[in-house]
Amino acid sequence: QVKLLQSGAALVKPGASVKMSCKASGYTFTDYWVSWVKQSHGKSLEWIGEIYPNSGATNFNEKFKGKATLTVDKSTSTAYMELSRLTSEDSAIYYCTRKEEWAYVMDAWGQGASVTVSS
Amino acid sequence: DTVLTQSPALAVSLGQRVTISCRASKSVSTYMHWYQQKSGQQPKLLIYSASNLESGVPSRFSGSGSGTDFTLTIDPVEADDIANYYCQQSNELPYTFGAGTKLELK
Repeated sequence: QVKLLQSGAALVKPGASVKMSCKASGYTFTDYWVSWVKQSHGKSLEWIGEIYPNSGATNFNEKFKGKATLTVDKSTSTAYMELSRLTSEDSAIYYCTRKEEWAYVMDAWGQGASVTVSS
Repeated sequence: DTVLTQSPALAVSLGQRVTISCRASKSVSTYMHWYQQKSGQQPKLLIYSASNLESGVPSRFSGSGSGTDFTLTIDPVEADDIANYYCQQSNELPYTFGAGTKLELK
């Protein structure tokens, strides 16, 4: 079955960067976009951006341009998101998702990776 | 950006029929999807393209609507359905989510 396994929780200092991973299995990694979604504590969901593993093409929410960098490693079916210049506003749970291409729906979600920004 | 508006909370009784609404600030055609999120878990897709039941989701869940007004119906509500529900549009970038509706027991 489709699985997205994310890296663990991270505690990082303000101003630093963090890179998280999302390992896909159970489907052809290069055939589906991978989207990333932010959920601040107790709040709703924000779409950060997406990457198409086959070509490396990306789309971003304007709000996260310059904040998030998306990459993939096709050899290991792993997607990565790096967040830079971290502030307390970046403390959240981050989810990777698979986007089904017909309806543009996020049909599979990773378990989430918690990022805490604190000195 | 397309803003999605949901009622913040609904109180329901087990066995009752409940409808959760989502209104879009502009037409999203049928590019509207519904997710369930239980405490401490990732969101789970329930309904895609307004009215299509995701595989493995119980048939007591259904969705309807097009354009700007959408509903998710649960009939009958079971204890396992107590959760947060989010609508999400994929008609245009950036994809956006509603603020969520918290389903609570009366």
